[in-house]
Amino acid sequence: RKEVEQDPGPFNVPEGATVAFNCTYSNSASQSFFWYRQDCRKEPKLLMSVYSSGNEDGRFTAQLNRASQYISLLIRDSKLSDSATYLCVVHTGNQFYFGTGTSLTVIP
Amino acid sequence: SQTIHQWPATLVQPVGSPLSLECTVEGTSNPNLYWYRQAAGRGLQLLFYSVGIGQISSEVPQNLSASRPQDRQFILSSKKLLLSDSGFYLCAWRPTGTGGYTFGSGTRLTVV
Repeated sequence: RKEVEQDPGPFNVPEGATVAFNCTYSNSASQSFFWYRQDCRKEPKLLMSVYSSGNEDGRFTAQLNRASQYISLLIRDSKLSDSATYLCVVHTGNQFYFGTGTSLTVIP
Repeated sequence: SQTIHQWPATLVQPVGSPLSLECTVEGTSNPNLYWYRQAAGRGLQLLFYSVGIGQISSEVPQNLSASRPQDRQFILSSKKLLLSDSGFYLCAWRPTGTGGYTFGSGTRLTVV
């Protein structure tokens, strides 16, 4: 079983839509969680950490469910500039495990 | 402020040729350093990580090697490249014990 699993998409949504991505992880001992954004042919960049109580940064909301071992990312009021691949990252022990990413295209 | 530099940005190399990719970090000391590879349409694969000078851990068997000659320098090498070594190579660092990664801008390697 993979350490981290994501729906690869693609998600094609109109501007202004709300879109949610989920990610599951296999190790219940995982200690920290992140969402990264990767634009085409660029390096991944940290979008936000995911805290147990859930956290929000503008239009982005991240949530963690330890009992079910999944994390989620909600994007409200999608912008064209949100088009990218979103990577789920799980920190377990001294290793970081990356999902394969979910592709989002926001359509005018 | 902390910055990470990686070069070159793109590289086209023939099969069997050697490889050397360099990564340096500024503005921090004793960072954990990582080399990842991302093949086309695939996820990030951890190749090597280092928690200190001369300390290298390898995650997958391959014809690549890594070295950390200085605290803030991490080098990825190969003596003879294979076609399957093509990919997007990313160096990353994180402060010891906290936070997520910061990635370098990557090297896109094409082996021909």
